[in-house]
Amino acid sequence: QKEVEQNSGPLSVPEGAIASLNCTYSDRGSQSFFWYRQYSGKSPELIMFIYSNGDKEDGRFTAQLNKASQYVSLLIRDSQPSDSATYLCALKTSYDKVIFGPGTSLSVIP
Amino acid sequence: KAGVTQTPRYLIKTRGQQVTLSCSPISGHRSVSWYQQTPGQGLQFLFEYFSETQRNKGNFPGRFSGRQFSNSRSEMNVSTLELGDSALYLCASSYAGTSGSRETQYFGPGTRLLVL
Repeated sequence: QKEVEQNSGPLSVPEGAIASLNCTYSDRGSQSFFWYRQYSGKSPELIMFIYSNGDKEDGRFTAQLNKASQYVSLLIRDSQPSDSATYLCALKTSYDKVIFGPGTSLSVIP
Repeated sequence: KAGVTQTPRYLIKTRGQQVTLSCSPISGHRSVSWYQQTPGQGLQFLFEYFSETQRNKGNFPGRFSGRQFSNSRSEMNVSTLELGDSALYLCASSYAGTSGSRETQYFGPGTRLLVL
């Protein structure tokens, strides 16, 4: 099993819909979880981080963490065409390594 | 406030050579992290420096090394370049890094290295 897994996509959602991006991980002791957005040809940008079980909301973004099930998700409400990008899940493992998932490509259709 | 800057932006080297890349963080930021991004392997963490000390290291061979200066500027060096080292090298800065306070991280534009 890979350390961090994401559906590669592309995930297509209509404008205004909720986009749901999922990430599963293998190290049960992982403590810190991050979501990055990367536009084509650009550098990544950190959009969310979450440390505790439950939901964390920031504007249209909600990160959800379930350590027992070893998954973290990112919900984007009222999706806009400008949200079209690759979303990378990352975490810091129990042995203090930073691991990135392969990314999910999101396309928001006007 | 100026963003993270990286130099050079593009670089072409041949196998066996060595290369040094530079990263200047946002003013006041003390943490600099380095990443390698390739189409095949995706984004991979290289190392993190905080106040001139390496705080974390990824799974890369010893040919990859780095350092941080007292002004927080950081350099990474790759010796004995291999074809597989061709990649986009990104650095990111933050005030306290990913260990510690929960604050954001800013990436530079990257250095694209091509090894022939």
